Amino acid sequence: GDSVTQTEGLVTLTEGLPVMLNCTYQSTYSPFLFWYVQHLNEAPKLLLKSFTDNKRPEHQGFHATLHKSSSSFHLQKSSAQLSDSALYYCALRNTGNYKYVFGAGTRLKVIA
Amino acid sequence: GGIITQTPKFLIGQEGQKLTLKCQQNFNHDTMYWYRQDSGKGLRLIYYSITENDLQKGDLSEGYDASREKKSSFSLTVTSAQKNEMAVFLCASSMWTTYAEQFFGPGTRLTVL
Repeated sequence: GDSVTQTEGLVTLTEGLPVMLNCTYQSTYSPFLFWYVQHLNEAPKLLLKSFTDNKRPEHQGFHATLHKSSSSFHLQKSSAQLSDSALYYCALRNTGNYKYVFGAGTRLKVIA
Repeated sequence: GGIITQTPKFLIGQEGQKLTLKCQQNFNHDTMYWYRQDSGKGLRLIYYSITENDLQKGDLSEGYDASREKKSSFSLTVTSAQKNEMAVFLCASSMWTTYAEQFFGPGTRLTVL
């Protein structure tokens, strides 16, 4: 079956340093990939998702590139901000499948 | 835009009790979902519903029932609450298209005494 792996449970960074959160997946087909962000005491919300053409999605300074050859969709940002502290989920969905498959989540903690 | 409402926000129950969580959405989405969120375990799918009166089991359906009597609402029942069970239950909805994002409600936090 489909699966999503987020290897880091907690990432702690100093403000201003680059962010990279890992996401790899296993799927028989070519899925769509999503990143969701959940701030403390809030609902998860979409941060960005992969495109059908090879454009790189970007939002709020974050970007991710879908690499089908390595089955990865890592989340990156050039400079971390304190407000980026949150829980980040990577997820996939396959064509014709109503289910989304989520990774375990990575908690990003940005310190001053 | 739309919104997903979950009631109650906090739910405290006794061991063995049957507890019901409710979810309403006004996006007019066909598909709705219930997830359980535990620290370090991600979002685990309990039930989902493709359309009104449809129910599909997720990976964690044992111990739960669900009901989708209207397109806009989706209820989840914990059939027999387990002592020391503590989790957040998230409701979500989406359009049927593969690249559609899910929209989440604020969650119901369950504590079983």
